Amino acid sequence: AQSVSQHNHHVILSEAASLELGCNYSYGGTVNLFWYVQYPGQHLQLLLKYFSGDPLVKGIKGFEAEFIKSKFSFNLRKPSVQWSDTAEYFCAVNAYSSASKIIFGSGTRLSIRP
Amino acid sequence: EAGVTQFPSHSVIEKGQTVTLRCDPISGHDNLYWYRRVMGKEIKFLLHFVKESKQDESGMPNNRFLAERTGGTYSTLKVQPAELEDSGVYFCASSQALTGVYEQYFGPGTRLTVT
Repeated sequence: AQSVSQHNHHVILSEAASLELGCNYSYGGTVNLFWYVQYPGQHLQLLLKYFSGDPLVKGIKGFEAEFIKSKFSFNLRKPSVQWSDTAEYFCAVNAYSSASKIIFGSGTRLSIRP
Repeated sequence: EAGVTQFPSHSVIEKGQTVTLRCDPISGHDNLYWYRRVMGKEIKFLLHFVKESKQDESGMPNNRFLAERTGGTYSTLKVQPAELEDSGVYFCASSQALTGVYEQYFGPGTRLTVT
């Protein structure tokens, strides 16, 4: 079955701490991978995406993610978080190079202490 | 460029009533999707339109849900009759029909509360 697993339900960090959010997926075939973010009171928006090429992907606001095919993982990282990174983060996958449905993980709520 | 818009932003109805949610995709986007997030769980796919045709409706939970996209522009999602378990946030997304990269842009969601 197609699924996305996010390891942490709620992460609490202090400003300037480093962040890594885990994501593993189960999907038959080649995939597109995404991290979406929803800031309080705002739309879901795309943080970064991987379609092909360099497995280390850089997104907005200093975030990056690494695709490790052998581990079916796509972990999100940021070296130094800010209070404004407080949000909910969703890892997601869909079939490669297609307009098919996106399968989401359950989300990780990130709280940053000022 | 205007983003995906949804109406209403919040709806509170009683069990057994009918509710219709509306989504206006980004202009020119042929693909339109409905998703739902119930009780803080994962966001789940409901269905996918390509223009006015249903491409994939595998996520529709039951026949109380009816989605339409007449004319291939905006879409409506009707729940009739609503049940308590239908409460949640209903998201709409759209994407262009290009080969290769398909980024889906999401609307703000409609929060449906069934009491």
